[in-house]
Amino acid sequence: KQEVTQIPAALSVPEGENLVLNCSFTDSAIYNLQWFRQDPGKGLTSLLLIQSSQREQTSGRLNASLDKSSGRSTLYIAASQPGDSATYLCAVMDSGGGADGLTFGKGTHLIIQP
Amino acid sequence: DTAVSQTPKYLVTQMGNDKSIKCEQNLGHDTMYWYKQDSKKFLKIMFSYNNKELIINETVPNRFSPKSPDKAHLNLHINSLELGDSAVYFCASSHRLLTDTQYFGPGTRLTVL
Repeated sequence: KQEVTQIPAALSVPEGENLVLNCSFTDSAIYNLQWFRQDPGKGLTSLLLIQSSQREQTSGRLNASLDKSSGRSTLYIAASQPGDSATYLCAVMDSGGGADGLTFGKGTHLIIQP
Repeated sequence: DTAVSQTPKYLVTQMGNDKSIKCEQNLGHDTMYWYKQDSKKFLKIMFSYNNKELIINETVPNRFSPKSPDKAHLNLHINSLELGDSAVYFCASSHRLLTDTQYFGPGTRLTVL
């Protein structure tokens, strides 16, 4: 059964810093990995999708990497801004999830201090 | 022009009642999903529905049943509501099962009294 772990659970940094969020998963037989952000009381916004054959994806100040063999992904946020404050969720898609949906981590709650 | 929409946004009801949550996507996607986010903010898949094939997570009680009148809709029916059903329910869709980005709706906060 797939398990997804995110470290740290919470992070608070001053504005302008670069930061890394970590995600690990137990079963490397995945189709893809997706990073989301969730704002309080809101739905999920997809940030990046990395297919199992890819090593990284970039979108603006965000860069996500995937090392499938070691079961790890990182989300790198450059030059952080207060608007980046949210909960960041990592999720993997595999065929063993019981309903072929995403298996989520518990998230990293990020606060960017102005 | 909302991609994935859900109604209602909030639902407050008594134990034992039957209720439905509606979901619609206008993205032309083939696959839709329902997820549950519990009080500890943990998200978990409940169902996926692709080309009339329903895949159910084994932990979901049979009081929950998704109904798809057409490809753009996947509604969630819940019978005999229990206190533990209180959560936020998210609908999502993707072009294809397994390989594509999933787009989430805004969520429905269900409170069972």
